[in-house]
Amino acid sequence: DIQMTQSPTSLAASVGESVTITCLASEDIYGSLVWYQQKPGKSPQLLIYGATILEDGIPSRFSGSGSDTQYSLKINSLQPEDFASYYCQNGLSTPYTFGAGTKLELK
Amino acid sequence: QVTLKESGPGILQPSQTLSLTCSFSGFSLSTSGICVSWIRQPSGKGLEWLATICWEDSKGYNPSLKNRLTISKDTSNNQAFLKITSVDTADTAIYYCARSPYYSGYFDYWGQGVMVTVSS
Repeated sequence: DIQMTQSPTSLAASVGESVTITCLASEDIYGSLVWYQQKPGKSPQLLIYGATILEDGIPSRFSGSGSDTQYSLKINSLQPEDFASYYCQNGLSTPYTFGAGTKLELK
Repeated sequence: QVTLKESGPGILQPSQTLSLTCSFSGFSLSTSGICVSWIRQPSGKGLEWLATICWEDSKGYNPSLKNRLTISKDTSNNQAFLKITSVDTADTAIYYCARSPYYSGYFDYWGQGVMVTVSS
């Protein structure tokens, strides 16, 4: 199985700041990296797939980058609605595996 | 408009079989490339992919659950199903169904989730 190591586990930031979350795959996933946002009591929402492709309707302050085994999610100019948990996912092969998540909290 | 909704028993006892239903609209599981998956999340924890079924009836399972999983579909009624045998307290979680387009490995639409508690 491909292991996904996400960091940091938690992150405190202020509205207007920029933050970066990283995800390390245990092997090359050839850009098949997915990011989701999950708010408390809600189901995950697709943000980015193919490492860099923004899902329709997702604000452009979200961006993804990376290749091979190393990937990152950057959120520019944090808005109040961005404080949530974020998960990366191996989208290359089954079993599809997720990172443990990053909880983004308001400082 | 794509929607998915899970349903299940709510609570069941250890060793029983968990049966879950995903009812969806806005797409068809007979459309080329479309797949539906089951993913679960214990309270306060991360996400675990369980199984996927695609339009042509191909299936994939998480080997960590060994032979306990069976996924199936009813294309005419726009439903997908998951059975988990011999449940244990460790199977207590929110269970989501989600759609994948074009044989992709990502999930673009998710249901609201259904809470399943295994308790004696």
